[in-house]
This record gives sequence, structure tokens and C-alpha cells, in this order.
Amino acid sequence: DTGVSQNPRHKITKRGQNVTFRCDPISEHNRLYWYRQTLGQGPEFLTYFQNEAQLEKSRLLSDRFSAERPKGSFSTLEIQRTEQGDSAMYLCASSLAGQYRAEAFFGQGTRLTVV
Amino acid sequence: AQKITQTQPGMFVQEKEAVTLDCTYDTSDPSYGLFWYKQPSSGEMIFLIYQGSYDQQNATEGRYSLNFQKARKSANLVISASQLGDSAMYFCAMREGNSNSGYALNFGKGTSLLVTP
Repeated sequence: DTGVSQNPRHKITKRGQNVTFRCDPISEHNRLYWYRQTLGQGPEFLTYFQNEAQLEKSRLLSDRFSAERPKGSFSTLEIQRTEQGDSAMYLCASSLAGQYRAEAFFGQGTRLTVV
Repeated sequence: AQKITQTQPGMFVQEKEAVTLDCTYDTSDPSYGLFWYKQPSSGEMIFLIYQGSYDQQNATEGRYSLNFQKARKSANLVISASQLGDSAMYFCAMREGNSNSGYALNFGKGTSLLVTP
């Protein structure tokens, strides 16, 4: 296992289109997080899963955003009717549950540009 | 309210010198963890070092050490013997023990470090 993998690395889409990103976490990690990072800012928490259950969503996650983690393995983040304000880097991270000491391992992110 | 504050948007350091990147945090939770991550231009967040709120000693990982001053709520990162490859964005982050967000990390805005020859 080589770490957290995200696809695609880059996505350019027209405003109003739907996009979907995929994250494959480290296999033994049962917690999975999505973050969004805009230019000049640190990553901001969007949502997290423990196994297949989505346990928390940030108020940053509007109704146009939906995330899934079927079978507790990979996760997808879908953005419907994209807006220019959705342009950002979307980062996925995974960690072991029950250990707040455990570091989160991040993927390389998906950079979304909405034109 | 901002939970993590990094007051230095950019820093320069000469190769082989030491540099300190500042981080202050705000929490009322007695249990928390502090992390530093490095983000090169490729985008991936690379874990550097961790400090727990109950840890008695300052954390060290190779050339990285954390100057943890609990009473001041500061957790500064010290990089010794800087290398050109250390040029990157550096983020301080906190995880609170009683978080509702599954111990998600709360990040600062980052400090851009440039190491010059």
C-alpha cells in the first residue's frame, strides 16, 4: 500500500457541470476525511467517515456536495452544478480511529478549476 | 474564531541555518494534539511532527523539533540545518480530544518558507 491515492489530480469543468472525485485511503485506516483548500489558506474540514458511515459534515458542505464511502473502502466526493467558487484543491486524508494522536495521511489532492 | 494562528506569511532562511516557524492555538479542551505538516508545490501534505497536550517533553523528529509552551499556547516548529528541499508551505494544525468532527484537523493559514543557497 503506497499511501492515500486521489483521482483525478486535476479537473477543469464548466460552470454548472457535475464532477466526482475519488479517494483510496490507506487500507487499514477506518477514518477518512475530505478537506478543501483554497489559494493562500490552510485546508478546511468538509466531512469525515468512520468505515462507511458519514458521521460529520461541515457547514461548508452545501447541498450541492455529496460524499460516499461504500463498504468503508474508497470514497467519492461529488459536486453538482459547479460554481466558480468551488475552484479549490480537494484533499483526502485517512487515519486510524480512536487515536487522536495518530497523524492523518494525505493524498496529493484533486485541483478543481471551474471556468 | 481562528483556532490556529500562524503570523508569518513568509520566511527566508539561508541554507544550513536554523529557522523557527510560529504557531499559536486556542482551545479550552485539556486533551489535544498539535501537528505540523509540510506542503511542497506538488500539493501533498506531509506529516512532520506531533505534540500531545499531556506530553512532558518537546517532540523531536530528526531535524524538526517542536517548542511547546503550553501556558502560552504556542507550538513553534524549529527546523535545524535548513536544506534547499525544505522550501515549502508549512501548516500548523490542531486536533481536539472532544471534537465532533472525528478528530479532524484544524489548520492555520500556513507559512511559506524559502531556503536560499
